[in-house]
Amino acid sequence: QVQLQESGPGLVKPSQTLSLTCTVSGGSISSGDYYWSWIRQPPGKGLEWIGYIYYSGSTYYNPSLKSRVTISVDTSKNQFSLKLSSVTAADTAVYYCARVDVVPYYFDYWGQGTLVTVSS
Amino acid sequence: QTVVTQEPSFSVSPGGTVTLTCGLSSGSVSTSYYPSWYQQTPGQAPRTLIYSTNTRSSGVPDRFSGSILGNKAALTITGAQADDESDYYCVLYMGSGIPWVFGGGTKLTVL
Repeated sequence: QVQLQESGPGLVKPSQTLSLTCTVSGGSISSGDYYWSWIRQPPGKGLEWIGYIYYSGSTYYNPSLKSRVTISVDTSKNQFSLKLSSVTAADTAVYYCARVDVVPYYFDYWGQGTLVTVSS
Repeated sequence: QTVVTQEPSFSVSPGGTVTLTCGLSSGSVSTSYYPSWYQQTPGQAPRTLIYSTNTRSSGVPDRFSGSILGNKAALTITGAQADDESDYYCVLYMGSGIPWVFGGGTKLTVL
């Protein structure tokens, strides 16, 4: 059974960089059948796709966040990571990592999510 | 920018049937958008219900079904149960731009 687990600071100061890691177990992040994605959900609001990375390192980001987002992968640790720079209170959200089945393009496994609050 | 539309809220009686829909602000939803559906209860991660329009994810009861109805994707719950009370999100695959666009979610009440 594939499991994903987010980790990282729960509190980030405005203008700083949010950093989260997703650890994958029960499956290899190096499988070519999947993308590895980040999604967020502000409190009381809907879900927003942030971006994905392929095991090769190729990435694709939401254009609305592209200038501030970096997603990287460490295949040796079976992890992928999210960095979001210059955060503001609007970036306060539960951040989920998820596995995407390349075809037919859906999120098949999700992490439990981690709340990141941006506040001084 | 493409907006994926869902009913903000819906209500169903226990044992009843409800159909939630997923549309586009411009155009029709087809199987080419690979519609998928997710169930989320408060404080929990989304749970995958349906993918590729009508394929149930592993372990999902067969009272959940997906389809295309007219120009929208649809999620039908037959024989609604109390624990079906959740938020339901559809996602459409756009292929470019923003590859996956989430609908705003439907809050389903069972009473």
